[in-house]
Amino acid sequence: SAVISQKPSRDICQRGTSLTIQCQVDSQVTMMFWYRQQPGQSLTLIATANQGSEATYESGFVIDKFPISRPNLTFSTLTVSNMSPEDSSIYLCSVQSSGNTIYFGEGSWLTVV
Amino acid sequence: QQQVKQSPQSLIVQKGGISIINCAYENTAFDYFPWYQQFPGKGPALLIAIRPDVSEKKEGRFTISFNKSAKQFSLHIMDSQPGDSATYFCAASKEGAGSYQLTFGKGTKLSVIP
Repeated sequence: SAVISQKPSRDICQRGTSLTIQCQVDSQVTMMFWYRQQPGQSLTLIATANQGSEATYESGFVIDKFPISRPNLTFSTLTVSNMSPEDSSIYLCSVQSSGNTIYFGEGSWLTVV
Repeated sequence: QQQVKQSPQSLIVQKGGISIINCAYENTAFDYFPWYQQFPGKGPALLIAIRPDVSEKKEGRFTISFNKSAKQFSLHIMDSQPGDSATYFCAASKEGAGSYQLTFGKGTKLSVIP
């Protein structure tokens, strides 16, 4: 299994500001993913982050709103830009292990006021 | 278009009973079907997963049944305990360029009452 640490775990943000979420994994992984889970809802894939290349975004998510960095095989960041109350969600970092199993971090709970 | 349909939305089971959650998928290219358990305030934790080359997989009290022709799979929790009370998500994915991108069902909130 993989141990995934996310920071911050929780934050309250002002409308119009941006916040960067960090994801650290305890082992090198090729594939990292960012998901969003709105309150009481299911998980939706935002993007796939590969080391050394630009992230691949899913329909409905754009790089200007959710820029992603992947500087190495154990770390990634997701920025939520120009936040609005609709961005209040749990943002989850996920990794694909060598056995193709998908693990999730504990999530970053963002509230935009 | 919802690619993975999960039911029921909520489920109440007596302690010691069997909890059954069902999922149906549409994309025949899906080849990996995991179940996740999520407690309030926590991230989803992988519970059990199956691939379409087997019809059933059991790990402890948790069993996945898979019906490829019907495009359905289900989670059975035997001898359900209050500690099993959580939200359960089924998911499906297909490998694309070495990447497994999960499509989730809407979740089932399970409450096991003493």
